[in-house]
Amino acid sequence: DIVMTQSPDSLAVSLGERATITCKSSQTVLYSSNNNNYLAWYQQKPGQPPKLLIYWASTRESGVPDRFTGSGSGTDFTLSISSLQAEDVAVYYCHQYHSPPYTFGQGTKLEIK
Amino acid sequence: EVQLLQSGGGLVQPGGSLRLSCAASGFTTSGHDMMWVRQAPGKGLEWVSVIYGGGHLTNYADSVKGRFTISRDDSTETLSLQMTSLRAEDTAMYFCAKDRYGSNWGQGALVTVSS
Repeated sequence: DIVMTQSPDSLAVSLGERATITCKSSQTVLYSSNNNNYLAWYQQKPGQPPKLLIYWASTRESGVPDRFTGSGSGTDFTLSISSLQAEDVAVYYCHQYHSPPYTFGQGTKLEIK
Repeated sequence: EVQLLQSGGGLVQPGGSLRLSCAASGFTTSGHDMMWVRQAPGKGLEWVSVIYGGGHLTNYADSVKGRFTISRDDSTETLSLQMTSLRAEDTAMYFCAKDRYGSNWGQGALVTVSS
């Protein structure tokens, strides 16, 4: 199974500052035949289902603010929020959908400093 | 507009069975991978199962293999998860989702396994 490890587990950032979350997979999630990284990022707020932010590692879902950026390839990935807003307080998960079981990271709790 | 409307959660005794449903609208389920993901109280997300689009091939997490069955009714655009031999550790909120990368999610259904 591919193990997804996020860091940090929790993060406090001031409003307007940058937040960065990293995700490392134990095996590559890059499919060489199409050069796609099978990696997604979600935002989950209390009492709500997860919301897709980024897929294929760097493709922003429609309607997601452009302050959210996904990057990386192979086994190392990053989610950046360029200018933190109050509504960005949530838990963030990375998720590999390259090889079943399609595992999630443990989550990163983002708070306001 | 894509919508996933879940039903079927509840309280069940250990060893019991329960069926979750996820009614889809706004798209054709047979053309998309559909998955179930669960979240134990206060915990992170755990992938449970997938049924692949274009057919009925499936895959399961080891923790549910042999006990849970995912299926899709193309005539009613409904995804289902039949859960048997339920254990206390299956207690969780269960979500259905469209596509392997979770483009849309149901509202969740709470399953509580307790005597």
